[in-house]
Amino acid sequence: DGGITQSPKYLFRKEGQNVTLSCEQNLNHDAMYWYRQDPGQGLRLIYYSQIVNDFQKGDIAEGYSVSREKKESFPLTVTSAQKNPTAFYLCASSIAGVGTEAFFGQGTRLTVV
Amino acid sequence: GIQVEQSPPDLILQEGANSTLRCNFSDSVNNLQWFHQNPWGQLINLFYIPSGTKQNGRLSATTVATERYSLLYISSSQTTDSGVYFCARTEAAGNKLTFGGGTRVLVKP
Repeated sequence: DGGITQSPKYLFRKEGQNVTLSCEQNLNHDAMYWYRQDPGQGLRLIYYSQIVNDFQKGDIAEGYSVSREKKESFPLTVTSAQKNPTAFYLCASSIAGVGTEAFFGQGTRLTVV
Repeated sequence: GIQVEQSPPDLILQEGANSTLRCNFSDSVNNLQWFHQNPWGQLINLFYIPSGTKQNGRLSATTVATERYSLLYISSSQTTDSGVYFCARTEAAGNKLTFGGGTRVLVKP
């Protein structure tokens, strides 16, 4: 089945640690995105990538880093510089072009302990 | 920046009732999507609707791009319709989505 797989579903991090969230898609989509959702809020864009080996900052990129070495994969690292990392993280992908439909993975819930 | 506003923020329905959710956006739209976020957090695609009207079972959506709003209609609501409904507008640069704050729907049996 084609889709977007995020892992793990739940992640616990100690303060001061970096953690990496995985996002893999087999939809052959060119573009991939990371969004953050806080309780009771909408989604906000962290980073996005339209092609391999290229990515751009979104609205709330501080404290996060990404890489795009393969078309299928777009991992997100939450660094110790992110002051409030506890949130729900959603990965999305879409085909190239303007206004194309985006599809989402099931999300990773990150908690700082 | 571009703003997307949804109303009402909360909606409580009796099973079988009909309802309308609204999404206003501050700029022209390349694409407008409606999602349903289930209790486990996953975003389910409902409609991809830059303009016009689409229907899918008990749900339908209408986007009037010239007046910068979109409506989502839920007819004969069921308890499984509960959750949060988001609209999101696509920006041309980077195909990025800007989300509204969502409408929380609770359908009571």
